[in-house]
Amino acid sequence: EADIYQTPRYLVIGTGKKITLECSQTMGHDKMYWYQQDPGMELHLIHYSYGVNSTEKGDLSSESTVSRIRTEHFPLTLESARPSHTSQYLCASSEQGVRPQHFGDGTRLSIL
Amino acid sequence: AQSVTQPDIHITVSEGASLELRCNYSYGATPYLFWYVQSPGQGLQLLLKYFSGDTLVQGIKGFEAEFKRSQSSFNLRKPSVHWSDAAEYFCAVVAENNDMRFGAGTRLTVKP
Repeated sequence: EADIYQTPRYLVIGTGKKITLECSQTMGHDKMYWYQQDPGMELHLIHYSYGVNSTEKGDLSSESTVSRIRTEHFPLTLESARPSHTSQYLCASSEQGVRPQHFGDGTRLSIL
Repeated sequence: AQSVTQPDIHITVSEGASLELRCNYSYGATPYLFWYVQSPGQGLQLLLKYFSGDTLVQGIKGFEAEFKRSQSSFNLRKPSVHWSDAAEYFCAVVAENNDMRFGAGTRLTVKP
């Protein structure tokens, strides 16, 4: 039933590689988010966007970057992956204002 | 700073028993509160939300939550737990900058 899609679902890759995690939504939501999730920890916001050409850093310092060229697409890029980037990454979207966020199923990333 | 506390990391209940998951928030103004559920390998799904009005809110899958301003709490309840309810549950509050803050989650195990 998800209208927000993340690919790949799982990725195991070596240190130093450039990685792009894809996130697309079909709901026309203006706001989009990237969270990092580790077991037993709260979700940490790493990037968000209010709309096309808008990107902001979240609370958690991250070496990743994002872009928002189209409303429906919000990819996250790691230029040079390191083992410390091993985590689950969740993408979400919402309407403007105080609205519930809709989540994708996540990308589980392992850096060797 | 706004924060959300879920005091119980892990709860085990028997199938058919009642359930209450605790959530406390720290936020100066009127909060917007949410409960999400995350099944293994999936993203977060919204169970229910509180914005204003009746302090007892009904959600999907037979869940309800009660907002108690005096206790800064928003506990999630279900009268009779099903095996399919086993999952991770996250409480969240919308902060002043409209960003959502999540608790660390409570993992629910259901015994047959």
